[in-house]
Amino acid sequence: AQRVTQPEKLLSVFKGAPVELKCNYSYSGSPELFWYVQYSRQRLQLLLRHISRESIKGFTADLNKGETSFHLKKPFAQEEDSAMYYCALPGGATNKLIFGTGTLLAVQP
Amino acid sequence: DAGVIQSPRHEVTEMGQEVTLRCKPISGHDYLFWYRQTMMRGLELLIYFNNNVPIDDSGMPEDRFSAKMPNASFSTLKIQPSEPRDSAVYFCASSPRPGLAGLYNEQFFGPGTRLTVL
Repeated sequence: AQRVTQPEKLLSVFKGAPVELKCNYSYSGSPELFWYVQYSRQRLQLLLRHISRESIKGFTADLNKGETSFHLKKPFAQEEDSAMYYCALPGGATNKLIFGTGTLLAVQP
Repeated sequence: DAGVIQSPRHEVTEMGQEVTLRCKPISGHDYLFWYRQTMMRGLELLIYFNNNVPIDDSGMPEDRFSAKMPNASFSTLKIQPSEPRDSAVYFCASSPRPGLAGLYNEQFFGPGTRLTVL
């Protein structure tokens, strides 16, 4: 069965420090993975998807099929990166996604 | 475009009362999703519709929960009777049909309804 795991509920880092938000998945086949973000007082929105292979707001995520991971990384955290981050993977039907439990990133000044 | 619209934004009710949450998706989007967000379980998919037809309601926790989509511009999620454990933020999201980018298109979320059941 499809499953996505975000092991950290809270990640606290200082401004300028590297950030890695962990996401592990269980999926048969080649998954299409996503990161969604919810900033304070804003709507949940798509941050990036792995097939786009883009860097958004300095964040990147590489799909590692061997480790079944899709960790979200940024070399230097900014205070405005503080938000709730959700990893998501396909739920077995068109357009259906399964979301993880989320990780709250707190960037301290 | 105002995006996905949800109402009410906040709802406080007493145990046993009926609660109705409303959603207006983005015009032209074929898919509509209802999610529940809690600290413990994260973002859970409750049910989703394609062209107004319920496709998967396996995430609906109990028979107390029901959802309808009478037309392309309106959906409701009803809880009857409500219980304190239903307290959560409920999100509605909509999505266009997938295109050349793959089988999964971006989902656009509403602001959510924060439900408190006393």
